[in-house]
Amino acid sequence: EAGVVQSPRYKIIEKKQPVAFWCNPISGHNTLYWYLQNLGQGPELLIRYENEEAVDDSQLPKDRFSAERLKGVDSTLKIQPAELGDSAVYLCASSFGQGFNNEQFFGPGTRLTVL
Amino acid sequence: DQQVKQNSPSLSVQEGRISILNCDYTNSMFDYFLWYKKYPAEGPTFLISISSIKDKNEDGRFTVFLNKSAKHLSLHIVPSQPGDSAVYFCAASEYGGTSYGKLTFGQGTILTVHP
Repeated sequence: EAGVVQSPRYKIIEKKQPVAFWCNPISGHNTLYWYLQNLGQGPELLIRYENEEAVDDSQLPKDRFSAERLKGVDSTLKIQPAELGDSAVYLCASSFGQGFNNEQFFGPGTRLTVL
Repeated sequence: DQQVKQNSPSLSVQEGRISILNCDYTNSMFDYFLWYKKYPAEGPTFLISISSIKDKNEDGRFTVFLNKSAKHLSLHIVPSQPGDSAVYFCAASEYGGTSYGKLTFGQGTILTVHP
């Protein structure tokens, strides 16, 4: 069974440019998460989807970040425009259900470098 | 504010000995605690968890202990193996409320097991 797929794995852009990350969760997982992981820190939740509905986007900086999960399957996270401080690893995770004990499966992440 | 803290950035252990990784939390609403393991260039993978109604959970070489009064948990690995070398993240979740299912991660501890 395929795990969580993310692309691209690495992205280097100049500041003020737009960038987009794509995630395809494990088949059948209705809950999808986007996390931000800064160097030397643990993942921090940006947004959580239950099917196509964003049920928690309180940590998403909405002035420059946006996300969508139109058909309740794959998802895209966008940054426009990117800033130097956005350099980090962006992780996608999925789970079957959003319960506190529903195991979250993580993708390998996209490492973003903003120059 | 850092609600989940792993105060040891790194730990070095000899193969065959015990590894003890520690985690402290401040939010008394946390009911469920997890440990994730992360290898370089991969996403975190679930290792073991414990509910707040228990004080110990064991799975093979891995045991998690929870001390609710001290708001402290620890992960014991016995015996440690070189393949255990990775970054270990402590995470916590609330059972109910608006944060239901949301994971809050610590900063991580880099474990190195020497042959």
